[in-house]
Amino acid sequence: GAGVSQSPSNKVTEKGKDVELRCDPISGHTALYWYRQSLGQGLEFLIYFQGNSAPDKSGLPSDRFSAERTGGSVSTLTIQRTQQEDSAVYLCASSRVASSGTYNEQFFGPGTRLTVL
Amino acid sequence: DQQVKQNSPSLSVQEGRISILNCDYTNSMFDYFLWYKKYPAEGPTFLISISSIKDKNEDGRFTVFLNKSAKHLSLHIVPSQPGDSAVYFCAASGGNTPLVFGKGTRLSVIA
Repeated sequence: GAGVSQSPSNKVTEKGKDVELRCDPISGHTALYWYRQSLGQGLEFLIYFQGNSAPDKSGLPSDRFSAERTGGSVSTLTIQRTQQEDSAVYLCASSRVASSGTYNEQFFGPGTRLTVL
Repeated sequence: DQQVKQNSPSLSVQEGRISILNCDYTNSMFDYFLWYKKYPAEGPTFLISISSIKDKNEDGRFTVFLNKSAKHLSLHIVPSQPGDSAVYFCAASGGNTPLVFGKGTRLSVIA
């Protein structure tokens, strides 16, 4: 079946502009995650959606970052007034959540490479 | 404060030999551990996992060992193949909390 898809694959923008990154999770997956990977760094958790629960926004680096998940499926990560330090690969992942509470494997999309000039 | 640490940024191994990638964690609440593999321009892909109730999990050429008292896990790949060359991320979680990832180790398998 189809995996996690992200668009665009690459985005170049000027400092101060707003950008929107999109993620289509695997159908049926209730959990959706956003991460970013800056050059030479690991995967930094940004935000987590689980079903109808309030999202876990604890990883968002500033109030310029926000995310939505409409209808429990597609998610959009928005970065307002972009800065050069926002340049990174933004990765989306989704997972099923077992009723037993056992953590489920996350499936990642290919990422969006954001470059802020 | 890094809760998951991969202290070796890179590792080179000869084809056919064993690759050992190490990972340390600090949070005693972590009870589930995963290894992901990432090729350039692709998202990470799940490789193998282990629950804290086990100390070893094996899948083909890949084995993960968990030492809870030392808060240490390792991934063994044997025999290593050139196609194994990638960045390997260790990740940990407690229950349904989001995964915490290490910074990754770049493995190069030399033919």
